[in-house]
Amino acid sequence: GENVEQHPSTLSVQEGDSAVIKCTYSDSASNYFPWYKQELGKGPQLIIDIRSNVGEKKDQRIAVTLNKTAKHFSLHITETQPEDSAVYFCARGYSTLTFGKGTMLLVSP
Amino acid sequence: KAGVTQTPRYLIKTRGQQVTLSCSPISGHRSVSWYQQTPGQGLQFLFEYFSETQRNKGNFPGRFSGRQFSNSRSEMNVSTLELGDSALYLCASSLLSGTRNTEAFFGQGTRLTVV
Repeated sequence: GENVEQHPSTLSVQEGDSAVIKCTYSDSASNYFPWYKQELGKGPQLIIDIRSNVGEKKDQRIAVTLNKTAKHFSLHITETQPEDSAVYFCARGYSTLTFGKGTMLLVSP
Repeated sequence: KAGVTQTPRYLIKTRGQQVTLSCSPISGHRSVSWYQQTPGQGLQFLFEYFSETQRNKGNFPGRFSGRQFSNSRSEMNVSTLELGDSALYLCASSLLSGTRNTEAFFGQGTRLTVV
C-alpha cells in the first residue's frame, strides 16, 4: 500500500558515533522525502528533505540518501551529540505526507 | 517570523462532547494540513485545506471536519467525542498546496484528552 516502513524503532548510540535510520516505501508516485525530529512535548521539526531527482543531500552532520529504484531512503547523523536524542520520523509525499512509525534515538554521553 | 500557532495547547473533554481546535499558519502560507498523533497509530493525515477549500482527506470518520478562513487560519472540529480520539493534534502549514513545491512546518500541537 502507501505505508512507510521505518527501522529501527529504537537506536542507542554513544556520543560521537554515527546513527542511521532507514525507511522503505511502495508508492512509485512519491517524489518528496522529508525527515522530522520530534522532542518531548513539541511538534515535529523539519531537519532535512530530499526530492526524487536527487540521490543525496547533506547539511552539516546530517545527510539523507535516496534510492528510487529500490524505494528506500536513509537518514545519517554523524558525530552524534546528546541533544540529538529525540524521535525521528521519515515521510514520503506526493500530495500529502505519509509518515513512518518513528525511531527513538538515544545518545549517551 | 512567527511559526505555526495552535490553540489551545491542552484540552480535556468528556465523551459525547465536541471540540474545536485552531491553527494559525506561518504568515504567507496558504496550505494547512491536520494530523492526529497517537502512540499506537503514529502520525496520521486528517485533511488539507488550501484557499479555503479541502484538497485532500484522510481515512477518518465524518465526525472529524475542518475549515479554512480567508486569512488562511484553520479550525478542525471533532463531534461526539470518543475515548479513542485522545491524541496530539498537529497542524502543518505550507506555502503551496501539496508537497510538490514546499516544505511543511508543524505547530506544537493540541493535546486532547477525552474522559
